[in-house]
Amino acid sequence: EVRLVQSGAEVKKPGESLRISCKTSGYTFTNFWIGWVRQMPGTGLEWMGIIYPGDSDTRYSPSFQGQVTVSADKSIGTAYLQWSRLKASDTAMYYCARFGEWLPSDSWGQGTLVTVSS
Amino acid sequence: EIVMTQSPATLSVSPGERATLSCRASQSVSSNLAWYQQKPGQAPRLLIYGASTRATPIPARFSGGGSGTEFTLTISSLQSEDFAVYYCQQYNKWPRTFGQGTKVEIK
Repeated sequence: EVRLVQSGAEVKKPGESLRISCKTSGYTFTNFWIGWVRQMPGTGLEWMGIIYPGDSDTRYSPSFQGQVTVSADKSIGTAYLQWSRLKASDTAMYYCARFGEWLPSDSWGQGTLVTVSS
Repeated sequence: EIVMTQSPATLSVSPGERATLSCRASQSVSSNLAWYQQKPGQAPRLLIYGASTRATPIPARFSGGGSGTEFTLTISSLQSEDFAVYYCQQYNKWPRTFGQGTKVEIK
């Protein structure tokens, strides 16, 4: 069974750094893309960035380029999303999701709620 | 970036009735179009991919159609568990983009 298990909810202050994680199991981590989707309160879904752990090829949506860092540790089958300086506008639910080449995301994490408030 | 536009924003339907949701792409995405269902507090769930192929184990009352820039999702007879928000997403080009969603609510 494919599983993506995300780290727990976070409450941070503006300007702080943060890394959230997505631990995978049940499939070959290096054979699928994995990435992060943002859902701001009451709104829709936006892809932020993706990584192919097999060769570390990383891509970002233009809206998120330079704002976050996507990484992966293939030794432990885990993907990460990182901020160096959080803003209040980063308050959202973040989902990790995997997909194969020319396929949609068929498995998702349960979501990590990030709240940024002074 | 490919813009996906869904209509209507909200669809009010009685249980047992048929619902048809639309999705338009700003440029051709071939058949690289998926539909997702999202319920409150849950992650999205894949319903349809390749514009018309049901994911496992999605029931047959869900069907998808279209290609290029115009797509539809049809729910033939709405069940209580189908009231949710539905998103289309193109995966023809990075960045992958979602429509803004259609909320299917009980009439």
